[in-house]
Amino acid sequence: DSGVTQTPKHLITATGQRVTLRCSPRSGDLSVYWYQQSLDQGLQFLIQYYNGEERAKGNILERFSAQQFPDLHSELNLSSLELGDSALYFCASSAGQVSTNEKLFFGSGTQLSVL
Amino acid sequence: AQKITQTQPGMFVQEKEAVTLDCTYDTSDPSYGLFWYKQPSSGEMIFLIYQGSYDQQNATEGRYSLNFQKARKSANLVISASQLGDSAMYFCAMRPSGGYQKVTFGIGTKLQVIP
Repeated sequence: DSGVTQTPKHLITATGQRVTLRCSPRSGDLSVYWYQQSLDQGLQFLIQYYNGEERAKGNILERFSAQQFPDLHSELNLSSLELGDSALYFCASSAGQVSTNEKLFFGSGTQLSVL
Repeated sequence: AQKITQTQPGMFVQEKEAVTLDCTYDTSDPSYGLFWYKQPSSGEMIFLIYQGSYDQQNATEGRYSLNFQKARKSANLVISASQLGDSAMYFCAMRPSGGYQKVTFGIGTKLQVIP
């Protein structure tokens, strides 16, 4: 158990809908990362937060948004969903120190299916 | 910008044999960290091993070792004495130095261990 909690584990919805994915980082971790894993695409970095502030942004669509709350949990909002948004969405956390050896701890992911 | 390349979509190895999974990277940062993660069929991402760009020795963690060749920008994962439980996707990743930068992942290699 990594200590990172993601909910829900599975989500099935229709095109055009909006969903919210939730992540609770490991106790004490200040940084939260969101990744999208599609078939044959590896892990695509979406966005990173540190102690409530956005720190790095990847290939995140404008239809997607995220935030990190004062209690450090994070939410990823996906709107106007399209079939191509179907993927496994991972949240990861780390301590937030500025160090190259800081590894990520991953949640179990949310499998999103857009029908 | 950093990039991770994993050129082996799939690999087979006989049980108890050693296998090398390739990873090359591209970065302009002088300091960076390299990671390998394992993703079994259950989906979770498991940290395996870390190598710092200034580390003098290759990293080892049990049956995992990292063949780090800085001049060639390669960080290959070596798994010795393969076990059936090693069958999984393996991802190489890099974290640059200098603040809150994203961790970039490769597309992964699917390893299958044959009895």
